[in-house]
Amino acid sequence: AQSVTQLGSHVSVSEGALVLLRCNYSSSVPPYLFWYVQYPNQGLQLLLKYTSAATLVKGINGFEAEFKKSETSFHLTKPSAHMSDAAEYFCAVSVPAQTGANNLFFGTGTRLTVIP
Amino acid sequence: KAGVTQTPRYLIKTRGQQVTLSCSPISGHRSVSWYQQTPGQGLQFLFEYFSETQRNKGNFPGRFSGRQFSNSRSEMNVSTLELGDSALYLCASSRTTNTGELFFGEGSRLTVL
Repeated sequence: AQSVTQLGSHVSVSEGALVLLRCNYSSSVPPYLFWYVQYPNQGLQLLLKYTSAATLVKGINGFEAEFKKSETSFHLTKPSAHMSDAAEYFCAVSVPAQTGANNLFFGTGTRLTVIP
Repeated sequence: KAGVTQTPRYLIKTRGQQVTLSCSPISGHRSVSWYQQTPGQGLQFLFEYFSETQRNKGNFPGRFSGRQFSNSRSEMNVSTLELGDSALYLCASSRTTNTGELFFGEGSRLTVL
């Protein structure tokens, strides 16, 4: 079975500081990995995805994530936080070969607060 | 380009009733997926439809059902509502079934009293 674990339900950073949101996955077969962001009272928006190509994935709004198979991790980073980055972030995994690429298993989310 | 549209945005029902939620995908998208979001269980996959056929189904009871029409619009239905069905129901569309790149609507917030 596949799953993701997000470490830290709440993360606070100062404006301009590094953002690091942690995600570890579990999958017995090659997964697709995603980061989605949810702003208040809105749906989710795709930030970036990994599908077995380059291990360092660049997304929108300056975010990037690195797939590390040896550590089963897919942490999300951004060099400099902006106030507009305050939102909830979800890591997700899917296994195309088993349950379908669009059947995403989401983590519990990390709420990012940016302190001015 | 219009995004994913879900109706209604908010609704209140009582236990035992049924509810139908509607989703219009982005033009050209043929896959529609439904997710339930609750504070306790988080985001959970309900089902995915592609070309009017259910492709995948999550671990939900048979009270939860859906369908897709020839224009790719989708509906989901929940019968015999329970208090625990209170949730935000999110619809997501995708061009195909094999990308995981989902475009989400703003959701339908269901409250069951």
